[in-house]
Amino acid sequence: DAKTTQPPSMDCAEGRAANLPCNHSTISGNEYVYWYRQIHSQGPQYIIHGLKNNETNEMASLIITEDRKSSTLILPHATLRDTAVYYCIVRAVNAGNMLTFGGGTRLMVKP
Amino acid sequence: NAGVTQTPKFRVLKTGQSMTLLCAQDMNHEYMYWYRQDPGMGLRLIHYSVGEGTTAKGEVPDGYNVSRLKKQNFLLGLESAAPSQTSVYFCASSYPSRGVNQPQHFGDGTRLSIL
Repeated sequence: DAKTTQPPSMDCAEGRAANLPCNHSTISGNEYVYWYRQIHSQGPQYIIHGLKNNETNEMASLIITEDRKSSTLILPHATLRDTAVYYCIVRAVNAGNMLTFGGGTRLMVKP
Repeated sequence: NAGVTQTPKFRVLKTGQSMTLLCAQDMNHEYMYWYRQDPGMGLRLIHYSVGEGTTAKGEVPDGYNVSRLKKQNFLLGLESAAPSQTSVYFCASSYPSRGVNQPQHFGDGTRLSIL
């Protein structure tokens, strides 16, 4: 699986959009980009995933650059409950569904 | 619908003791996983199972054994606990990928301390 690089921490004001970047410059053509988050003391929670098109669901939007070497997770209106560690994971579709977690980005949403 | 349930939630062991962590899922998922998470780090895969009666090693399997006798349960065993195994253990489950990406669903973890 391709390696990902994320900033270790970010702050965001409550109600504003949180934009979390992820660099995956060695991504292969068959690898998807996944985002999970882990709220303190809880198990990770799936957010969204995509291959090359932008994706949106009830939780977030995922913007993947045209060359697929980076992506951005967008939480459109961050709340205090969005404070968590966000993990960007790149995985091939036939990799047995295994996930490799890196260090993630610790997002702090402030009032 | 409870999702993924881990038992126990907390446990303190002495070095050399053995114990089994239980993971149960009610989503009829074929795949199940055990991860460990050390302070300030991401999760690391210990063992996983792609179906009843089958198990495989992950990234950090040493010192652990697993069994998947029933589809809904995945057991993680520590035969002789060591302080290095002090960690938070997470279980997860998912449908098989089969070309379609299936998200993993996680339990809330078992916090294990080895003295």
